[in-house]
Amino acid sequence: AQKVTQAQTEISVVEKEDVTLDCVYETRDTTYYLFWYKQPPSGELVFLIRRNSFDEQNEISGRYSWNFQKSTSSFNFTITASQVVDSAVYFCAADQGAQKLVFGQGTRLTINP
Amino acid sequence: DAGVIQSPRHEVTEMGQEVTLRCKPISGHNSLFWYRQTMMRGLELLIYFNNNVPIDDSGMPEDRFSAKMPNASFSTLKIQPSEPRDSAVYFCASSLSGRTDTQYFGPGTRLTVL
Repeated sequence: AQKVTQAQTEISVVEKEDVTLDCVYETRDTTYYLFWYKQPPSGELVFLIRRNSFDEQNEISGRYSWNFQKSTSSFNFTITASQVVDSAVYFCAADQGAQKLVFGQGTRLTINP
Repeated sequence: DAGVIQSPRHEVTEMGQEVTLRCKPISGHNSLFWYRQTMMRGLELLIYFNNNVPIDDSGMPEDRFSAKMPNASFSTLKIQPSEPRDSAVYFCASSLSGRTDTQYFGPGTRLTVL
């Protein structure tokens, strides 16, 4: 069965620091999809990115970037020049299609002013 | 465009009462998902509909839980009778086509069973 591990339960940094959230997944399939979601204090789940297993290019969107490494089964998320508004719980998730979308336990990120 | 709409946003009820949660998916999306989020178990998929048909309900905890999707724009999740351990945030999500497509989540319903 697939599994997603976010080893960092909580991270706290000072504003403007860069921060990387780790995500390691387990899967037996060659075709799968990886996701990141953000859950701010207001509670909703906000989609950030979807990546398929055949696309190993890193992606950058503003201050956000994602590093996909199939060799280490990792899909890490970096926030550059963090801001207080980035404070949230971030979830990594994986889907093999035939199985459920499986979420990691989440990393609570606190950005202190 | 409107996102996924859920109602109510908050529900407080007493043990034994029936609870009905409602969801309107994004227009044009053919897949709908119900999730439950708790501190202990994180985010769990309860049931997945595709084209209004339940495809995977293996996550439904027990017979007290039921879900329906009578048409493409409406779904309900019912708990009868409710128990304190059902207290959680229930999310509805929809995707354009299937489970591997991006799922967009509603704001959630925070359920408290006293």
